[in-house]
Amino acid sequence: QQQVKQSPQSLIVQKGGIPIINCAYENTAFDYFPWYQQFPGKGPALLIAIRPDVSEKKEGRFTISFNKSAKQFSLHIMDSQPGDSATYFCAASRVQGAQKLVFGQGTRLTINP
Amino acid sequence: ETGVTQSPTHLIKTRGQQVTLRCSSQSGHNTVSWYQQALGQGPQFIFQYYREEENGRGNFPPRFSGLQFPNYSSELNVNALELDDSALYLCASSLAGGSEQYFGPGTRLTVT
Repeated sequence: QQQVKQSPQSLIVQKGGIPIINCAYENTAFDYFPWYQQFPGKGPALLIAIRPDVSEKKEGRFTISFNKSAKQFSLHIMDSQPGDSATYFCAASRVQGAQKLVFGQGTRLTINP
Repeated sequence: ETGVTQSPTHLIKTRGQQVTLRCSSQSGHNTVSWYQQALGQGPQFIFQYYREEENGRGNFPPRFSGLQFPNYSSELNVNALELDDSALYLCASSLAGGSEQYFGPGTRLTVT
């Protein structure tokens, strides 16, 4: 029940396309859902996060869509660029208590020029 | 504003040895969490420290232990190293009661 399942494992998109990465969770106690971007040899960088009280959040070219009833959320990257090529992780946690992030398995995204 | 820093960057140890990894939290952050990231996997929560006490622990054995100091910096200690302990160890800092966790660059530990 603590798992977060992420798909696809890898994704190749042409520059300007809109990659979409999906995540599903089981624990209904989760109430915080961030996305992280990680480049090789670096730590994960927080991109954008959402709480269950909204269905969509947009920051720059990154958008999270959230479906509480389906227990799913997704990341969309608008006007993707080669510099967006990285591994993306979704995560989930509870706001109360220890903020233990449970991560998905990651999606390796490649944006071709 | 200073981000999360970790030391050392890389470390090679032999099976059975002990290791200490260090983390300085982002300026103003009072909570530190440690994660283990195996190659090709997502980070796994080890434990969190707040007010110098352990405030939640993941599914890791007692040979993984930690400390937090009054300046909010933290140490991760691993005893009796095993080959499977080879991983990237990440430290993340946050504000107590806040959700956003900011990660450091990690320490790459190799156990031979």
